[in-house]
Amino acid sequence: DSGVTQTPKHLITATGQRVTLRCSPRSGDLSVYWYQQSLDQGLQFLIQYYNGEERAKGNILERFSAQQFPDLHSELNLSSLELGDSALYFCASSVAPGLAGGANEQFFGPGTRLTVL
Amino acid sequence: AQKITQTQPGMFVQEKEAVTLDCTYDTSDPSYGLFWYKQPSSGEMIFLIYQGSYDQQNATEGRYSLNFQKARKSANLVISASQLGDSAMYFCAMRAEGGKLIFGQGTELSVKP
Repeated sequence: DSGVTQTPKHLITATGQRVTLRCSPRSGDLSVYWYQQSLDQGLQFLIQYYNGEERAKGNILERFSAQQFPDLHSELNLSSLELGDSALYFCASSVAPGLAGGANEQFFGPGTRLTVL
Repeated sequence: AQKITQTQPGMFVQEKEAVTLDCTYDTSDPSYGLFWYKQPSSGEMIFLIYQGSYDQQNATEGRYSLNFQKARKSANLVISASQLGDSAMYFCAMRAEGGKLIFGQGTELSVKP
């Protein structure tokens, strides 16, 4: 158990709908990362928050948004869902934002498997 | 641009033997970190081992060791004495600016009894 929790574990919805994925980081971790894992794109970084502030953006679609709340949990909102959004969405946390050479490990949650029908 | 390449889509190894999973990387940053994660069929991502670009010695964690060859830009994972429970996908990753991880495409390891 990494200490990172994600809910729900599975989510099945229809095209055009909107869903919210939730993540609670490990106790004491201030930085939260969201990743998407799909068969065609592999594991891709979406967005990072540190202590409530957006820190970095990756290949995140405009239909997707995220935020980190004062209690440090984070939510990833996916709207106008398309079939291609079906993927495993991971949240990861680390103590600090992480320098490129830093040893701050990222601990991953169990993921939310999203299926868009 | 930073990139991680894993050229082995799948690997087989006999139980109790050692196996090497290949990883090459590309970056112009002098400071970087390299990670290996294991993803069993259940889906979770399990951190295995870390190597910093300035580390003088290869990292080791139990049966896992990282063969770090900086000049060749390679960071191969060596698993000694393979066990059936080692069957999984293995991802090599590099920490990029801001702390995000860039992943390779993964290698699926199958351990045969």
